[in-house]
Amino acid sequence: DIQMTQSPSSLSASVGDRVSITCRASRNIRNYLNWYQQKPGKAPQVLIYAASNLHSGVPSRFSGSGSGTDFTLTITSVQTEDFATYYCQQSYQAHPYTFGQGTKLEI
Amino acid sequence: QVQLQESGPGLVKPSETLSLTCGVSGDSINNYYWTWIRQTAGKGLEWIGRSHSSGTTDYNPSLRSRVAMSVDTSKNQFSLRLNFVTAADTAIYFCVRASVATVTIFDSWGQGIQVTVSS
Repeated sequence: DIQMTQSPSSLSASVGDRVSITCRASRNIRNYLNWYQQKPGKAPQVLIYAASNLHSGVPSRFSGSGSGTDFTLTITSVQTEDFATYYCQQSYQAHPYTFGQGTKLEI
Repeated sequence: QVQLQESGPGLVKPSETLSLTCGVSGDSINNYYWTWIRQTAGKGLEWIGRSHSSGTTDYNPSLRSRVAMSVDTSKNQFSLRLNFVTAADTAIYFCVRASVATVTIFDSWGQGIQVTVSS
C-alpha cells in the first residue's frame, strides 16, 4: 500500500491567516493526489484533484501544489467555514486507494 | 445533482454479516465506479472497494476475503456485504461515487451510516 502522511496533525489559525498543510506519499504518485475537507458529522468533500485543480464550486482561496511525493494544500485567507479536518488521498494505485490521517484546522 | 443514501442495520452481531445498500438518485448508476469507504477514529478513512455496473469489482486486499459488492441497475442502487464481522469493523460507512477522469475522484458521498458490531 502507498502510505500517506500529513503534517501537522492539527493546526491553530485565525480568520484571515494563510495556512498550509503538507502531505507526503511513501513513493512517487506523480500528480495523483486529491484533497478533501470534512466538517463534524458530515461526509468529506473534494476540494482539489490531480494535485492542483480546484473542484467545481470550491473557493479560489484554496490551492494545491506538488508532485511526486510531496504535496501542499494552502488556504490563502482562512474563513470561519474553513475550520474542519483536511485529508489527502492518493489515486495512483487502486486496491487500495489510501488517505492521510487528517489535519484538523482549529481556531 | 446526484444524491446517495445508505441504508441498513446500525447494529450487527460479531461473526455475522454486515449488509448495506446505497440508493442513487439524480444520475444513472450505469456510469462511474460505486465505492464504499469507512471511517474510524483509529484508522481514519479506509477504502473498502468499488463496483461497476459492468460487474467489475475491486477490493481492499486487507478485506478481500470477507467482502462482496454489487450494483443493481434496475433499482439504481449498489450494495456491500462484509462477512464475519468483529468489533474492528465498527465504523461509519460511506457510499461514494468515484469519477475517473485525469485521476479518480470521490466526488459525491452519502451522509454515512454508523454501524456498530456488538453482541
